[in-house]
Amino acid sequence: AQSVAQPEDQVNVAEGNPLTVKCTYSVSGNPYLFWYVQYPNRGLQFLLKYITGDNLVKGSYGFEAEFNKSQTSFHLKKPSALVSDSALYFCAVSPGSARQLTFGSGTQLTVLP
Amino acid sequence: DAGITQSPRYKITETGRQVTLMCHQTWSHSYMFWYRQDLGHGLRLIYYSAAADITDKGEVPDGYVVSRSKTENFPLTLESATRSQTSVYFCASSRGTDGNTIYFGEGSWLTVV
Repeated sequence: AQSVAQPEDQVNVAEGNPLTVKCTYSVSGNPYLFWYVQYPNRGLQFLLKYITGDNLVKGSYGFEAEFNKSQTSFHLKKPSALVSDSALYFCAVSPGSARQLTFGSGTQLTVLP
Repeated sequence: DAGITQSPRYKITETGRQVTLMCHQTWSHSYMFWYRQDLGHGLRLIYYSAAADITDKGEVPDGYVVSRSKTENFPLTLESATRSQTSVYFCASSRGTDGNTIYFGEGSWLTVV
């Protein structure tokens, strides 16, 4: 069975600084990897995904993520954080089928003005 | 473009009552899903459907019933609500499987007293 670890429950960063939200995964075969963001009292919004190809994936709102197969990681990054980026971020992995999508426990990102 | 609509958004019910959460999508996506979100557990799949009249269990199906008579609707029924079913419920859909993005509704907050 696959699994996802988001080792940090909370990440704080100052506005304008780069941010990283960490994700490591375990899956049999080639992974499909996703990042979602959730604002308070809202549903999850898709940010980006890795299926195949270039290890650096660019997504919505200036976010990007780097797939590292040897380290089984898929960290979410942004060069310059905004206060409006403050939200709950979820990493998810699937070995293929969407019904097998497994979510991490989430990382609360707070960007301080 | 309405996307995925969930109703009700907020519901308080009593233990033992039957509750139905509605989900409607306008994208004609084949796949639909129900997840529950609980602190410390992230998102867990309750049921999914690959097409009309095709449903299958996810990770935590006990106490829940689903149906899908039409492609666009995927209601979730709690036959006899229990306090442990107090949660936030998310309906989601995707065009297909194998790396297809799953899109989420805004959620239904259910409290069982």
